[in-house]
Amino acid sequence: GNSVTQMEGPVTLSEEAFLTINCTYTATGYPSLFWYVQYPGEGLQLLLKATKADDKGSNKGFEATYRKETTSFHLEKGSVQVSDSAVYFCALSDRKDSSYKLIFGSGTRLLVRP
Amino acid sequence: GAGVSQSPRYKVAKRGQDVALRCDPISGHVSLFWYQQALGQGPEFLTYFQNEAQLDKSGLPSDRFFAERPEGSVSTLKIQRTQQEDSAVYLCASSLGGDLSSYEQYFGPGTRLTVT
Repeated sequence: GNSVTQMEGPVTLSEEAFLTINCTYTATGYPSLFWYVQYPGEGLQLLLKATKADDKGSNKGFEATYRKETTSFHLEKGSVQVSDSAVYFCALSDRKDSSYKLIFGSGTRLLVRP
Repeated sequence: GAGVSQSPRYKVAKRGQDVALRCDPISGHVSLFWYQQALGQGPEFLTYFQNEAQLDKSGLPSDRFFAERPEGSVSTLKIQRTQQEDSAVYLCASSLGGDLSSYEQYFGPGTRLTVT
């Protein structure tokens, strides 16, 4: 079945450091890939998405490239800020599944220190 | 406009009690999803509605869980005879539905259920 695996946290960085959060997936069909973010006390928000191989999703300085050959969708940011502290979830939606339900990884907590 | 809202935000139930969790999706959104998020885990799919039709309930963990969306708008997730393992945050999400470009899901703040 479909699944998502992401690196365990917490990830602790100093402000302006480079961020990578790894995400790999297993899918039987044609997945779209997502990163969602959950800020403290808030609901899940879509951060970025990519719908086909080699697409790059980007938003708020974050980027992730859909790599079919390595079944990966790693999240990167060149210079993190304290306000980026949150839990990040990688997810997929398989277009063979007519409901487009999301399958999530277990989340990676990011803590950015001033 | 308003986002997805859920009520109550917090619910404490004694083991064996029935609970009902409400979701108000974004107006006009065809698709509605329920997810269960255990502490420290990612959300897990429970069930999916397209308008009033429940098209996928493959994620419901037992027959104690029941969901409805009778008029294609507000949805209720009901858990009968709650157990301690039901303690989790229950998330509702809605999407415009239809073609691939409108599948983005918008999440509510969740209902945190604690079963004592």
